Amino acid sequence: KAGVTQTPRYLIKTRGQQVTLSCSPISGHRSVSWYQQTPGQGLQFLFEYFSETQRNKGNFPGRFSGRQFSNSRSEMNVSTLELGDSALYLCASSYQDNEQFFGPGTRLTVL
Amino acid sequence: DQQVKQNSPSLSVQEGRISILNCDYTNSMFDYFLWYKKYPAEGPTFLISISSIKDKNEDGRFTVFLNKSAKHLSLHIVPSQPGDSAVYFCAASGGLGSARQLTFGSGTQLTVLP
Repeated sequence: KAGVTQTPRYLIKTRGQQVTLSCSPISGHRSVSWYQQTPGQGLQFLFEYFSETQRNKGNFPGRFSGRQFSNSRSEMNVSTLELGDSALYLCASSYQDNEQFFGPGTRLTVL
Repeated sequence: DQQVKQNSPSLSVQEGRISILNCDYTNSMFDYFLWYKKYPAEGPTFLISISSIKDKNEDGRFTVFLNKSAKHLSLHIVPSQPGDSAVYFCAASGGLGSARQLTFGSGTQLTVLP
């Protein structure tokens, strides 16, 4: 079974721009979660989607948003990019409310 | 406020010996705990988990112990192999509506010396 895939793997943007990241979960997994990893803050939860509905949200500003499609694929969007948004963005999928399986991440650099 | 703490940023162990990675938590609502391994430029890889109704779970060379009264868990790797060298993250979830939200520790860099 294929793992979680994320596109693109690397992205360079400038301040003020917006970005959209994509995640395809493991087949059969309906829950998709997003995390941000930075050297200073570690791995932090952004939000989680299940059946196209956001079920849980972390402590991030409204510039960070997401959505999930009927095929469980998910996208996250960051608007008005700031330098501090440079990070590795990780997507994880799960079948039940237990183990989450992570994709390789998207490395976003904001210049 | 760090709810999940890994106080040792690094650990070096000789090949074949036991590696013990520790994790402490403060939130008594946590009822499910996981360990992940992470290589640079890759996503975390799930290793092993434990529910709060258990105090031990074993999978091959990996064993996780949970001490709820001390709010402490540990991951034992026996025997350690050079391929185990990576950053290990402890994660926890729990509480109403938060089962899908993992709270991570800051990680421990394990180096297994040949």
